[in-house]
Amino acid sequence: GAGVSQSPSNKVTEKGKDVELRCDPISGHTALYWYRQRLGQGLEFLIYFQGNSAPDKSGLPSDRFSAERTGESVSTLTIQRTQQEDSAVYLCASSLEDYSNQPQHFGDGTRLSIL
Amino acid sequence: SQQGEEDPQALSIQEGENATMNCSYKTSINNLQWYRQNSGRGLVHLILIRSNEREKHSGRLRVTLDTSKKSSSLLITASRAADTASYFCAEPLIGAGSYQLTFGKGTKLSVIP
Repeated sequence: GAGVSQSPSNKVTEKGKDVELRCDPISGHTALYWYRQRLGQGLEFLIYFQGNSAPDKSGLPSDRFSAERTGESVSTLTIQRTQQEDSAVYLCASSLEDYSNQPQHFGDGTRLSIL
Repeated sequence: SQQGEEDPQALSIQEGENATMNCSYKTSINNLQWYRQNSGRGLVHLILIRSNEREKHSGRLRVTLDTSKKSSSLLITASRAADTASYFCAEPLIGAGSYQLTFGKGTKLSVIP
């Protein structure tokens, strides 16, 4: 079956512009996570969605970052007024249920470059 | 926040040799997971070991867990060029109702044909 799909795969934009990143999780996966990976680093948690529950936004680095998810489907991560430090790979992951013993399935990410 | 740290940061071996990577973490865990990341790709789940398990096998992979030392190791036996990738350990951190994973910086493994 299809895995987690992210688009675009690459995005280059000028500082100060807004960007929107998209994630299509695996069908039937109720939990969805966004992570950020800076060059040569591990992953930083950004935000989490589970069904219709309130999202866990504790990892968002500033109020310029926001995300939405409709039900158990597509999610979008929006970064407003982008800064150069926002340059990174943004990875989306989904899992079958919201339990700690469920492996997360990752997309290939969106590589964001801010000029 | 708790975070695993992998050691070594980089490892280069000949094809056919075994590769061992280590992970240390800071607080109590429910389980520990290992992921692989090929260059330019997302992460792929390899294996999960629960806190009450000491060793687990999956194909050429062997993972051990020592909760008293807060450490884990990943052994890849009879390595292949296709094993070249970065390897991360990750622990679920219970956030505000979520099970976000916390990652170290990874071990970059190069397997030379």
